Formats: sequence, structure tokens, C-alpha cells
Amino acid sequence: DAKTTQPPSMDCAEGRAANLPCNHSTISGNEYVYWYRQIHSQGPQYIIHGLKNNETNEMASLIITEDRKSSTLILPHATLRDTAVYYCIAANTNTGNQFYFGTGTSLTVIP
Amino acid sequence: GAVVSQHPSRVICKSGTSVKIECRSLDFQATTMFWYRQFPKKSLMLMATSNEGSKATYEQGVEKDKFLINHASLTLSTLTVTSAHPEDSSFYICSAHTGRWPDTQYFGPGTRLTVL
Repeated sequence: DAKTTQPPSMDCAEGRAANLPCNHSTISGNEYVYWYRQIHSQGPQYIIHGLKNNETNEMASLIITEDRKSSTLILPHATLRDTAVYYCIAANTNTGNQFYFGTGTSLTVIP
Repeated sequence: GAVVSQHPSRVICKSGTSVKIECRSLDFQATTMFWYRQFPKKSLMLMATSNEGSKATYEQGVEKDKFLINHASLTLSTLTVTSAHPEDSSFYICSAHTGRWPDTQYFGPGTRLTVL
């Protein structure tokens, strides 16, 4: 079963930062937080993941709260191509790494 | 990044026939591959975990005799939908676990199955 909850939809103005929240209050100590996005009729695309520390890559930043019960994915300068469904997943790479997807957040970037 | 391919991208078949979908990791070896199904406007649902050289592990409610999975090599896993029916029409997506940094799953582009 999915261990994360996300708002079903969000809008963001083009060029502004998109902040997508995720709640994972039951996450265990050895589970990572993964973020993927899916554009219509395509396979999910990996964005970023982390365990405890905040992470940043060329696509996004991941902010994980100190108690690890929630996180926020930040797209610093949203473009129209960032319109997609964003999934937050909690998974343990040491025990098979199965991903159980929740319903995700449908992000619409508005011109 | 790691690349995963699927073939075919789209298939239409008649009810009662079997359909095979291939999933390949193109630039890395994947000891573990996963199969998902996604219905319109729904999220991805994990069907099974496939480990190279061993039997697949199916999620609860997924019929192993209907969805045959073979993972014969470190770069290829196949899903065969046997005796397909219209309710099996769906978007089937595979993923492969890299086992190296960033130690995550990379997904294929998906296969759209339509059973008439």
C-alpha cells in the first residue's frame, strides 16, 4: 500500500517556483523518499531522492523535514514542460525496493 | 541516465490470444525488474517483482498464471498476458533497478494493450 499522501492537484505560474508537498508520516528509518513525474502516456521519470538530508540536482531540490514525516519537492523555475503528475514514494532499497504509488499531484504550469 | 525500453509500444489483439511484452535495460544490468499496470486516470499499480534467474513475486490479487513473467537475463524481462480479455486492456510499464547510484528504478516508456 502507498505510504504517502499528496494533494491531488496544484497550479503554478510559469517561471515561478513550484513547491509540491508530500506526507509520509509512517516512513521507516531505512526508507528513502523518491520523487518521479509522469507526463501523459509515458513512463515515470526519475527526479530525485533522499534519506535525511536535503538534496539538489539539475532538475529539482528535495527538502525533508527533520522528523522525516514530510517532504517538499521544489522545481525552482517551472516551465510548461513541467506539467505532469508528480509522485512521492517511500521505499527501502534494501528490501526489494518495491514502489507503491499513491495518487500523486497533478501539477499544471500556467503561462 | 539509465535507459529502459519496452516493445511493443502499442498492441491490439483479439480476446483469447496471448501477448508478450519485452522490457530491456539498454545500458546497465538489472538484477531486479518490476511490472506495473496503469488504468486511465489512475496511478501505477505494482503487479510483480522479477529477479533474474528466479521466479517472479506477484502482488496480492495478481494472477500469476495469467501474467507470466520471465527474467532470463540481466537485461531482459518479459510479461506475457495469456488468454487476454477486454478487461486486461491497460498501460503496462516496466522498470529496472540499477543497483548502483542513484540506486533507483528507471521506467520504460510503457506498452498500451487493447484487447478487442
